[in-house]
Amino acid sequence: NAGVTQTPKFRILKIGQSMTLQCAQDMNHNYMYWYRQDPGMGLKLIYYSVGAGITDKGEVPNGYNVSRSTTEDFPLRLELAAPSQTSVYFCASSYLDSSGPYGYTFGSGTRLTVV
Amino acid sequence: TQLLEQSPQFLSIQEGENLTVYCNSSSVFSSLQWYRQEPGEGPVLLVTVVTGGEVKKLKRLTFQFGDARKDSSLHITAAQPGDTGLYLCAGTAGNNRKLIWGLGTSLAVNP
Repeated sequence: NAGVTQTPKFRILKIGQSMTLQCAQDMNHNYMYWYRQDPGMGLKLIYYSVGAGITDKGEVPNGYNVSRSTTEDFPLRLELAAPSQTSVYFCASSYLDSSGPYGYTFGSGTRLTVV
Repeated sequence: TQLLEQSPQFLSIQEGENLTVYCNSSSVFSSLQWYRQEPGEGPVLLVTVVTGGEVKKLKRLTFQFGDARKDSSLHITAAQPGDTGLYLCAGTAGNNRKLIWGLGTSLAVNP
């Protein structure tokens, strides 16, 4: 019963490097999300997906890209890392019922430092 | 812009005390969720409320959704150190598929 699995847990990048944050869920949820969390700023939505092959921008998409080739996987790509991307990144998944997104499940996060 | 304001921002209490934290908005929400986040972990969903006036209990935690569905409260009875964490509320409105998040209440329960 893994839920949402994120890798890696920690990473240090140099400015200008690229990396992919991995996210996988085993609950057959249609909806998946990437958030970043900064102290005092709350959770900010980067990108989300309503199903395989469909992605859309959230509040803070600049500098990031996503893909959703399967229901299970939703990787987040950072191109040309910048210090402003130092943050904790969370992947989440949910399903949808009549009241909206339901049953949000979060991964344990990836702590990224760009130096 | 729909906002969720949480208060207080920080709360430090002694074990055994009772407390209430609040989540308020000027907008109507179709559902509202409460999460607890411990250091180094992702938020964990505690409860979802969908009906105005609804009250849900989870052991020593009592959640209430306001009659007008614009606000919610979380009451903890006889707090324990294990209740320490960041409590987040998040809501959905209409057909919006994205959650609107509050900034959280950071709770410390001292032994």
